[in-house]
Amino acid sequence: DVKVTQSSRYLVKRTGEKVFLECVQDMDHENMFWYRQDPGLGLRLIYFSYDVKMKEKGDIPEGYSVSREKKERFSLILESASTNQTSMYLCASSEGGANTGELFFGEGSRLTVL
Amino acid sequence: AQKITQTQPGMFVQEKEAVTLDCTYDTSDQSYGLFWYKQPSSGEMIFLIYQGSYDEQNATEGRYSLNFQKARKSANLVISASQLGDSAMYFCAMREGLGAGGSYIPTFGRGTSLIVHP
Repeated sequence: DVKVTQSSRYLVKRTGEKVFLECVQDMDHENMFWYRQDPGLGLRLIYFSYDVKMKEKGDIPEGYSVSREKKERFSLILESASTNQTSMYLCASSEGGANTGELFFGEGSRLTVL
Repeated sequence: AQKITQTQPGMFVQEKEAVTLDCTYDTSDQSYGLFWYKQPSSGEMIFLIYQGSYDEQNATEGRYSLNFQKARKSANLVISASQLGDSAMYFCAMREGLGAGGSYIPTFGRGTSLIVHP
């Protein structure tokens, strides 16, 4: 069964801490994405990557960085967590090229910053 | 301006009845695709249905159908014979032309919460 796995379902961190959210996919997909989900705002794109070491900013990249050193792994980094980064974070992947663009999602990581 | 608009924050339906969830979109691309995803309370996003802009027939997947009206730029999801397990958040999404790296980058609406009553 194809899978996108996020390392942590629930995290509680303190303001100012560095936070790593890890995502691994086993479908050999070229593209990987990090979205943030907040009630009433839907999913907003933070960053995406279309190849190893390649990254592009999404709609809300401020306060975040990403790393993609291997094709299957895409990490989201909060250098200094703040309370307004309390949210649900969703990782997704998709095939490259001109296919439909369907996203395959992980189960989500719910981050609380105190 | 929002590219995907879902005007119904919440919807209620009686079990076994049909329900329509609205979605309108905004794009100037000729080639684009529309998706619906379901998110139960457990949090995982489940792909339901896809419609390409050049597809002449409305997409159907079991009890789900996509009512695609290109001129009106609407892509409503119709769920027939609602079940209790259909209670969830539903998101409409669109991908337009190829972006950076030759990738499609989907944009999502704000979602509709559907509650199915017994």
